[in-house]
Amino acid sequence: EAGVVQSPRYKIIEKKQPVAFWCNPISGHNTLYWYLQNLGQGPELLIRYENEEAVDDSQLPKDRFSAERLKGVDSTLKIQPAELGDSAVYLCASSPELGSNEQFFGPGTRLTVL
Amino acid sequence: AQSVTQPDIHITVSEGASLELRCNYSYGATPYLFWYVQSPGQGLQLLLKYFSGDTLVQGIKGFEAEFKRSQSSFNLRKPSVHWSDAAEYFCAVGALRGSGTYKYIFGTGTRLKVLA
Repeated sequence: EAGVVQSPRYKIIEKKQPVAFWCNPISGHNTLYWYLQNLGQGPELLIRYENEEAVDDSQLPKDRFSAERLKGVDSTLKIQPAELGDSAVYLCASSPELGSNEQFFGPGTRLTVL
Repeated sequence: AQSVTQPDIHITVSEGASLELRCNYSYGATPYLFWYVQSPGQGLQLLLKYFSGDTLVQGIKGFEAEFKRSQSSFNLRKPSVHWSDAAEYFCAVGALRGSGTYKYIFGTGTRLKVLA
């Protein structure tokens, strides 16, 4: 069974440019998470989806960040415009059915903003 | 509010030595506790988890952890460290939400260095 897939693995952009990250969760997993991981820190939740519904986006900086999960499968996280401080690793994770307390992580996308 | 503290930012041990990584949590109910390992450039891999029952849990790669409610701790241990264990280790607590799903709070991690 394939794990959580993320692309791209690495992205370098200049500040003020837009950027998008894509995540394909494990097949059948209804819950999807996007995390931000700064260097030397643990992951911090940005947004959590139950199917196509964002059920927890309180930590998402909505002025520049957006996310979508159309059809409740894969998801896209966008930053527009990117700032220097957005340089980090963006992790996607998924969990199986409602009530499951395990999550499976993708390899992450490392973003560098110049 | 839930929180997780990993007091040690860096730990260095010699290969073959024993290891203990500390984790303290704050949570109002029975916690769901996890330990993850992250190698450079990789995502997080689950080492072990505690939900209920036996407070000593076994995980992959020879790791174990003990849940101590009185100390709000969930320390990770390994009797003999291998060079390949060098990585960053994260403790996390899972908080059940009203929707029936879990929100996870991670500690800041402990970076393990293994000396040959």
